[in-house]
Amino acid sequence: EPEVTQTPSHQVTQMGQEVILRCVPISNHLYFYWYRQILGQKVEFLVSFYNNEISEKSEIFDDQFSVERPDGSNFTLKIRSTKLEDSAMYFCASRPGGSGGGEQFFGPGTRLTVL
Amino acid sequence: AQSVTQLGSHVSVSEGALVLLRCNYSSSVPPYLFWYVQYPNQGLQLLLKYTTGATLVKGINGFEAEFKKSETSFHLTKPSAHMSDAAEYFCAVSAYSGYSTLTFGKGTMLLVSP
Repeated sequence: EPEVTQTPSHQVTQMGQEVILRCVPISNHLYFYWYRQILGQKVEFLVSFYNNEISEKSEIFDDQFSVERPDGSNFTLKIRSTKLEDSAMYFCASRPGGSGGGEQFFGPGTRLTVL
Repeated sequence: AQSVTQLGSHVSVSEGALVLLRCNYSSSVPPYLFWYVQYPNQGLQLLLKYTTGATLVKGINGFEAEFKKSETSFHLTKPSAHMSDAAEYFCAVSAYSGYSTLTFGKGTMLLVSP
């Protein structure tokens, strides 16, 4: 069964460093998402991506964040200069085309620890 | 704007007992509603969803949920808990249009004792 994959499973970085989190969505899906979950808090939407551009973003997704689909298979989230408060589990999700309400398929997440 | 409230961060039941996880939502447009489950060290897996039509929806692993518009609720139930049901459960809402961004509740950890 097709699944969303994410690498690495755990990333440790120093404050101020750049990190890139990688995701491989399900191959025929058209919509892509990043969410994050700070320990003990709810899962929060960061950004959605469709037709090679950002379609929606939350207020969390500031200039320090960027997304890219560089090669038609990978979907990456870059944090330019990490802060302590960026420590969280980051989930990638994808869904097929069609009207809203379709199931989003989630990856296992990348745990980012900023020291 | 949309929001989700899940009552109870932890719910404990005995194996074989009824499971009831509560979810209330707020939405300015007709909502799509979802329950996701997260097992330790895994991603979020869809249990069930309500989009349109029948308000009682059945999902995987014997779970079901009922959409009650008048109560703005979408509570998750299972008649008989199994040890393997121990996990964290998230209720989520999205708009019927747009890019289907999910707004999640804080989650409820279900603990099942023998």
